[in-house]
Amino acid sequence: AQSVTQPDIHITVSEGASLELRCNYSYGATPYLFWYVQSPGQGLQLLLKYFSGDTLVQGIKGFEAEFKRSQSSFNLRKPSVHWSDAAEYFCAVGATGRRALTFGSGTRLQVQP
Amino acid sequence: DAGVTQSPTHLIKTRGQQVTLRCSPKSGHDTVSWYQQALGQGPQFIFQYYEEEERQRGNFPDRFSGHQFPNYSSELNVNALLLGDSALYLCASSRTGSNQPQHFGDGTRLSIL
Repeated sequence: AQSVTQPDIHITVSEGASLELRCNYSYGATPYLFWYVQSPGQGLQLLLKYFSGDTLVQGIKGFEAEFKRSQSSFNLRKPSVHWSDAAEYFCAVGATGRRALTFGSGTRLQVQP
Repeated sequence: DAGVTQSPTHLIKTRGQQVTLRCSPKSGHDTVSWYQQALGQGPQFIFQYYEEEERQRGNFPDRFSGHQFPNYSSELNVNALLLGDSALYLCASSRTGSNQPQHFGDGTRLSIL
């Protein structure tokens, strides 16, 4: 069975500082990996996705993620955080883009001025 | 171009009642998936509909059922509501093709009294 672990429940960073959110997955084959962001009271917005090819993927809002098969990780990074980035971030894995996604429990990001 | 739309936004029911939630997929999308997100957790996959049939199902009881209409819109029905059914119910849609990601609506907040 597939699973996703996000080790950090809550992270606080200062505005302008760099950010890395961790994600580890368990999956028997080549996974499809995603990062979604959720603002309070809203649905999930797709930040980026990895299907195959280049292991460093670029997303919206200046985010990027790196797929490391040897570590079963797909960590999300941003070089300089903005106050508007404060939200809940979810990593997800699936057999394909369309099939059922398994989500991690999320990481809440707080941005200090 | 409208995204995924869900109705109603909020709903309050009592134990034992039945509820129907509705979802209109993004234009050009033919696959609809439903997820349940309990407070403080990541979304959990309920089921997926494609070509008006349930194609994949998560670990949810038969009290949870659904339907997809010829225009690709979908309904989620929950019978004999329990207090534990209180959650945010998210609908996601995608196009045909394994490399197509899922796009989420803002969800329906269901509260059971």
